[in-house]
Amino acid sequence: SAVISQKPSRDICQRGTSLTIQCQVDSQVTMMFWYRQQPGQSLTLIATANQGSEATYESGFVIDKFPISRPNLTFSTLTVSNMSPEDSSIYLCSAFRDTGELFFGEGSRLTVL
Amino acid sequence: LAKTTQPISMDSYEGQEVNITCSHNNIATNDYITWYQQFPSQGPRFIIQGYKTKVTNEVASLFIPADRKSSTLSLPRVSLSDTAVYYCLGGGGSYIPTFGRGTSLIVHP
Repeated sequence: SAVISQKPSRDICQRGTSLTIQCQVDSQVTMMFWYRQQPGQSLTLIATANQGSEATYESGFVIDKFPISRPNLTFSTLTVSNMSPEDSSIYLCSAFRDTGELFFGEGSRLTVL
Repeated sequence: LAKTTQPISMDSYEGQEVNITCSHNNIATNDYITWYQQFPSQGPRFIIQGYKTKVTNEVASLFIPADRKSSTLSLPRVSLSDTAVYYCLGGGGSYIPTFGRGTSLIVHP
């Protein structure tokens, strides 16, 4: 079954810098989703990434802060820009399998100092 | 997309059957109900999916009554390794998957 590879798995960054998270799927998928999960909390959807069009952002998330690329049907990136300690979180990408179930990468744990 | 409501937490003991109920009053005709399990520091993983009546796989059973306004995930004979957060989602086709608060299940020895 399809697999999502996500990197980096973790990183420690300085405030004011930016980090790009990569997500590679081993099969073509139409939609990819980016989530943020803060400690002890549920997953919050950041945006939906479709190939060939601009990402669709959820309320509270903007493109300037979380630019997303989706150059093809197997790859996407999420950038966390101008980071602050409040951006410390786990970031997860996901996609639907052909069977309709959602599958996830292992997540990227980001710590901003 | 169906709005779902679940208990925030549940406690159980090893060997017991655990039933977690999810309410989804506004579920649409073509929505499926899907349950996910999440361990700490991992992404959620698929457990089971159903549309109506009962579905069973090697991990769990899913009961959906005729009105489909709720569903119950049943975990037979839980073990300590079943301690996790469980999420139910309702949606059909290429829906946008949003997660509620989930149910934190703690299994005690």
